[in-house]
Amino acid sequence: GNSVTQMEGPVTLSEEAFLTINCTYTATGYPSLFWYVQYPGEGLQLLLKATKADDKGSNKGFEATYRKETTSFHLEKGSVQVSDSAVYFCALSVNTGGFKTIFGAGTRLFVKA
Amino acid sequence: GAGVSQSPSNKVTEKGKDVELRCDPISGHTALYWYRQSLGQGLEFLIYFQGNSAPDKSGLPSDRFSAERTGGSVSTLTIQRTQQEDSAVYLCASSLGQTQETQYFGPGTRLLVL
Repeated sequence: GNSVTQMEGPVTLSEEAFLTINCTYTATGYPSLFWYVQYPGEGLQLLLKATKADDKGSNKGFEATYRKETTSFHLEKGSVQVSDSAVYFCALSVNTGGFKTIFGAGTRLFVKA
Repeated sequence: GAGVSQSPSNKVTEKGKDVELRCDPISGHTALYWYRQSLGQGLEFLIYFQGNSAPDKSGLPSDRFSAERTGGSVSTLTIQRTQQEDSAVYLCASSLGQTQETQYFGPGTRLLVL
């Protein structure tokens, strides 16, 4: 079956620290991979995506590389800011006659000034 | 605006009552999803519509939950005989479906069952 596993939170970091949020997946076929973000009081929105192996998605200083050999899509940022405090969701999408997306449980990030 | 809209934004109801939640997807999006997000929890998949295909109802937690999508556009999620554990934020998302996987989320309906 298809599934996404991401590291449990909350993750608490100081401003300017390095961030990694781990995400691994199980999928039949060749999924696309996503990170979505939910800022406090706001709706879910796409942060970045990668559609094939070795692709790197990037946005707002965040990066994630599609690693087929390790079935991973870890989210990284070199220097976090207080404004990055949010819940981050890893997701995969597979074509089942239409694209169905499966989400991980989410990881809450707190960044302290 | 051209985004996904949901109504009502907040709903307070008494245990045992039925509620209907509405979702207006982005025009032209063939795929529509309903999720539930309980306080501090992740996204729980409920149901998925793709074009004219039979919906994927595998995430519906009980037979009190149902959803329909009329004319391939607006969707209604109905919860019958609500229970306190149904209290959550119900999120709707749409995507182009066949040609694009990125989902666009509505603001959600916050349901409180007293």
